[in-house]
Amino acid sequence: QSALTQPASVSGSPGQSITISCTGTSSDVGRYNYVSWYQQHPDKAPKVMIYDVTNRPSGVSNRFSGSKSGNTAYLTISGLQAEDEADYYCTSYTSTMTPVVFGGGTKLTVL
Amino acid sequence: QVQLVQSGAEVKKPGASVKVSCKASGYTFSKYFMHWVRQAPGQGLEWMGIINPSAGTTTYAQKFQGRVTMTRDTSTSTVHMELSSLRSDDTAVYYCAREVSSSWTVADSWGQGTLVTVSS
Repeated sequence: QSALTQPASVSGSPGQSITISCTGTSSDVGRYNYVSWYQQHPDKAPKVMIYDVTNRPSGVSNRFSGSKSGNTAYLTISGLQAEDEADYYCTSYTSTMTPVVFGGGTKLTVL
Repeated sequence: QVQLVQSGAEVKKPGASVKVSCKASGYTFSKYFMHWVRQAPGQGLEWMGIINPSAGTTTYAQKFQGRVTMTRDTSTSTVHMELSSLRSDDTAVYYCAREVSSSWTVADSWGQGTLVTVSS
């Protein structure tokens, strides 16, 4: 059981927008603005897409955006493209004995 | 450019130990912490711990306390992760990843992964 809860799957058609949620607690997502999102294609290493809730690393498309409300963080992908089909993981810093936790991952299917 | 090159695949018997290496290049090794993250077949990412290559200090996930040891060799810019008392559910791809922030949640470069198979 992961510390952060994500939906197992989401889907959308090309050009549409989707949002993936990441629900934690007041010890992690709700306490710190240290939430990142990673994209992972099959048999590839993860790639950071969003960090510190809303920031995009250089080179990441501005179709990717992040936000947070209370204990839940969100990743929104607008203008869906076939290449966006991948697994997405959220991660957060926590105040617990394990300072970094991942969500269980969400499989994005582009229809 | 930043490169993290990991050691090759391993097959181990239950109860044994495994040591995975990660050689860094293209940046100042001592300036950036290094994570170890694993991924069981068909499963999600699991954080194992982090090492400060400069001081050699470590922080481990509670789940792996007592079973994992992370070390570094500054002369070769290499970090190592040793996991002991292996069980079948330790079968996974193990990644090293460079941390670029103080939040421990921004890993900008990853190794290629090392498959560790635990089987009798």
